[in-house]
Amino acid sequence: QVQLQESGPGLVKPSETLSLTCTVSGGSITSYYWSWIRQPAGKGLEWIGRMYSSGSTNYNPSLKSRVTMSIDTSKNQFSLKLNSVTAADTAVYYCATGRIWSSLYYDYWGQGTLVTVTS
Amino acid sequence: EIVMTQSPATLSVSPGEGASVSCRASQSVSSNLAWYQQKPGQAPRLLIYGASTRATGIPARFSGSGSGTDFTLTISRLQSEDSAVYYCQQYNNWPPLTFGGGTKVEIK
Repeated sequence: QVQLQESGPGLVKPSETLSLTCTVSGGSITSYYWSWIRQPAGKGLEWIGRMYSSGSTNYNPSLKSRVTMSIDTSKNQFSLKLNSVTAADTAVYYCATGRIWSSLYYDYWGQGTLVTVTS
Repeated sequence: EIVMTQSPATLSVSPGEGASVSCRASQSVSSNLAWYQQKPGQAPRLLIYGASTRATGIPARFSGSGSGTDFTLTISRLQSEDSAVYYCQQYNNWPPLTFGGGTKVEIK
């Protein structure tokens, strides 16, 4: 069973870059697409994007200009960078994937990590 | 972008009764719709995909129906553990994948 664990700074200053890592266990990082989804406090879910180990990426058009995703297969980790953050980027960030390699719905989720954008 | 609209925002149901949550898409998503359950402080949990197929380990009292633009999640014989927020998600036209705003199900 795939397990996911997010890590990264909980506080980021406005205009700086948010950087998070998701560590994958119980499955090969080369076998699935890997996604990031976020959720502001008390609000709904927003899909940020996904990537495959080949480097193929799909991003939410609303965030595309600020998002970069990458994979480190040697560490079984994938990462999210979101630049020029504002208070609107404050949210719980989840990494997620599906049971089927190209699945567009999510069977497996990390526990989430809260990122607060504040000066 | 496909907009997913859920109703009602909040549903209060007595234990043992049934509950229905509605999800409407701004354009057809065929049967490419999933449902999730989210409890406070937890990640969402996949309940249904393909509009009506239960995910692994999901009890039979959770069922999904619909296609095109109108979908329903039905929970029969509600239990206290079903108190949660439920979200729909379309994966037919993307990017982006989009979620509904959520329906909070409360147990009276």
